[in-house]
Amino acid sequence: EAQVTQNPRYLITVTGKKLTVTCSQNMNHEYMSWYRQDPGLGLRQIYYSMNVEVTDKGDVPEGYKVSRKEKRNFPLILESPSPNQTSLYFCASSLFAGVLEELFFGEGSRLTVL
Amino acid sequence: KQEVTQIPAALSVPEGENLVLNCSFTDSAIYNLQWFRQDPGKGLTSLLLIQSSQREQTSGRLNASLDKSSGRSTLYIAASQPGDSATYLCAVINQFYFGTGTSLTVIP
Repeated sequence: EAQVTQNPRYLITVTGKKLTVTCSQNMNHEYMSWYRQDPGLGLRQIYYSMNVEVTDKGDVPEGYKVSRKEKRNFPLILESPSPNQTSLYFCASSLFAGVLEELFFGEGSRLTVL
Repeated sequence: KQEVTQIPAALSVPEGENLVLNCSFTDSAIYNLQWFRQDPGKGLTSLLLIQSSQREQTSGRLNASLDKSSGRSTLYIAASQPGDSATYLCAVINQFYFGTGTSLTVIP
C-alpha cells in the first residue's frame, strides 16, 4: 500500500530535550516536506526537499533541522524543543520529475513540549 | 509569495443541500490545484487534483473547477451528508501553498 508513515504519532517532551520525528514514504517520491498545523494559522511549511541531499527552508524553519540522506526518509529534528513548537506536524510527499503533482500526507504527529 | 484564501471559514448546512466552497489565489502561475479533506485531529485526505490544463475534475458527489485567469477554484458538493462534515482545504501547487480551510458541518 502506498503510504507516508510518521513516527511517533504522539509525543510529550520537555523543553530542551532533542527529538526526531521520522517520515518514510514507499512511493519513490522525489519531493518531501514537513508542515506544522496550528489553530487559526493553517498549514505552514517548515522544510522541503526536492531530492536526496537537497533541502530548503519553508516559511517557518527556525528551531528545526532536516536531512535527506535517502530518497524514502525525511526526518524532522528538533535540537532544543520549546513550548512554541507544540503543534500537529505533517510529513508529505509528491512525485516530482520536474512538475509537482499530487501531495500525499502522513497521519500526523502531535507534539507537546512542556 | 502566493496567498491562498478560503471563504467562508465555516459553513453549516442541512443534510441534502448542495453547496460550494471557494478557494482563491493571488498568483495564477500554478501547476495544479488540489482539494483535501481533514477530519479533526487527523491527516489530510486528497479529494481531487486539477491539473493546470484542466478546468474541472469530478469524483462521485464532488466536482472541483479551476479558473487560473481569475485565480479561483470551487469545490461543489452535491446532496450533502452528515459524513461530509470536516474541514476542506485547497492547495495550489507550484510550491504547496495551503488555504486555512472551510469547516463544514452538515446537520442531519
